[in-house]
Amino acid sequence: DGGITQSPKYLFRKEGQNVTLSCEQNLNHDAMYWYRQDPGQGLRLIYYSQIVNDFQKGDIAEGYSVSREKKESFPLTVTSAQKNPTAFYLCASSRSTGAAETQYFGPGTRLLVL
Amino acid sequence: AQKITQTQPGMFVQEKEAVTLDCTYDTSDQSYGLFWYKQPSSGEMIFLIYQGSYDEQNATEGRYSLNFQKARKSANLVISASQLGDSAMYFCAMKGGGFKTIFGAGTRLFVKA
Repeated sequence: DGGITQSPKYLFRKEGQNVTLSCEQNLNHDAMYWYRQDPGQGLRLIYYSQIVNDFQKGDIAEGYSVSREKKESFPLTVTSAQKNPTAFYLCASSRSTGAAETQYFGPGTRLLVL
Repeated sequence: AQKITQTQPGMFVQEKEAVTLDCTYDTSDQSYGLFWYKQPSSGEMIFLIYQGSYDEQNATEGRYSLNFQKARKSANLVISASQLGDSAMYFCAMKGGGFKTIFGAGTRLFVKA
C-alpha cells in the first residue's frame, strides 16, 4: 500500500543535541512538507520541497534543517538552535504544489525535550 | 494575506445526528482549493474532502459534504449521521496560487452516545 511513514513515533532530545526525524513516501509525489503542531493549535509550515535537491523555508524554519536527496525521503533535523522544540511534527506529500493538490500526511513524530 | 477562521473551538453532537463545522476564509487568489482534514487522538491528519473555487457543485464524500458559499467565503463541513468514531479534531485548510497551505485552528467534535 502507498503511504507516508515517519519515524520514530516518539523522540527525546537532550539539551544541545541535534535530532533527525525521518519521513519516507512511496506515493511518487514530487512535493513534500514538514509541519509543526503545538497543543491545541493548527499546523505551521517549517520547510517544503517541490522537487529533489530543492527546498524552501516555511514560516518557522529557524532552528531546523532539511535535505531532499531522494524523491522518497525528506528528513528534518531539529538543531540545538531550536530553543523550544517540544511539539508534534507532521510530514506530508502531494503530487505537486498546485492549488488542487491534496496533501497526504504521515502518522507524526512527538518530540520531547529531556 | 490568506486566512482561515474556525470559530467553534468545540462542538457536541448526538450520535446519528448531523453536525456542521464552520469555516470562513480570506484570499485574493481567484483559483484556490479548500480542504477538510480529520485528526483523531492518534495524531495523523486524514484527508476528508476537497472543493475547488471554480466547482459549481458542493463536494460530497460519503457522509461528508462541503457547503461552499463563495460569495460569503465560507466552506462549512457537514457530517451526516454522526458516529462515535467521528470524535476528533477537524481542520479546514486552503491553498491558493502559492506553495503554502493555510490551516485553521481546528474544531474539536465530541459525539455523544
